[in-house]
Amino acid sequence: DIVMTQSPDSLAVSLGERATINCKSSQSVLLNSDSELAWYQQKPGQPPRLLIYLASTRASGVPDRFSGSGSGTDFTLTISGLQAEDVAIYYCMQYYTSPRTFGQGTRLEIK
Amino acid sequence: QVQLRESGPRLVKPSETLSLICTVSGDSISNYYLTWIRQPPGKGLEYIGYTRYNGRTNYNPSLMGRVTLSVDTSNNQLSLRLTSVTDVDTAVYFCATIGGTGYVDDWGQGTLVIVSS
Repeated sequence: DIVMTQSPDSLAVSLGERATINCKSSQSVLLNSDSELAWYQQKPGQPPRLLIYLASTRASGVPDRFSGSGSGTDFTLTISGLQAEDVAIYYCMQYYTSPRTFGQGTRLEIK
Repeated sequence: QVQLRESGPRLVKPSETLSLICTVSGDSISNYYLTWIRQPPGKGLEYIGYTRYNGRTNYNPSLMGRVTLSVDTSNNQLSLRLTSVTDVDTAVYFCATIGGTGYVDDWGQGTLVIVSS
């Protein structure tokens, strides 16, 4: 299985500032020229919500303060201009191969 | 937009079979690959498997031999059967659609299943 490792495990950022979450895969998830990597946001009591797919493509309805970058094995989710509603746990997931595997999650809080 | 809703028993005894249904509305289930994902209380996400109406399936090897996914096109439903459950199978179970080349797209709200005698 591909192991997904996120850093940090938790993060506290001031409102309006930038939050950066990293995700590293144990092997490349590059298929042709696309990285098969998605990011999800999960708030308490809710299912995860798709934010980003193909490492950098925002899903429908996702605010443009959320951006994804990276390729191959190293990826980053950036939230620019943190808002109170962004408090959540964020997960990366590779869908390059089965079984799909998730990172352990990064808890984002307000400083 | 497609909507998904999970249903089934909240409590299952150890060694018995966990059975859940995911009802899809807003579109034909035949248009989707579908997946089950679970989340133990306070923990992360675990992929269970995916399936399609034509019988194509893929299961997490960690659950191989215990899990069966199937689609009922007449009722627009996806089912999950997990045999010989233990307390480690206690989790919120989510059904979801698969989009593009394989990311998990639209999720149901999830249903908590507790394995306990």
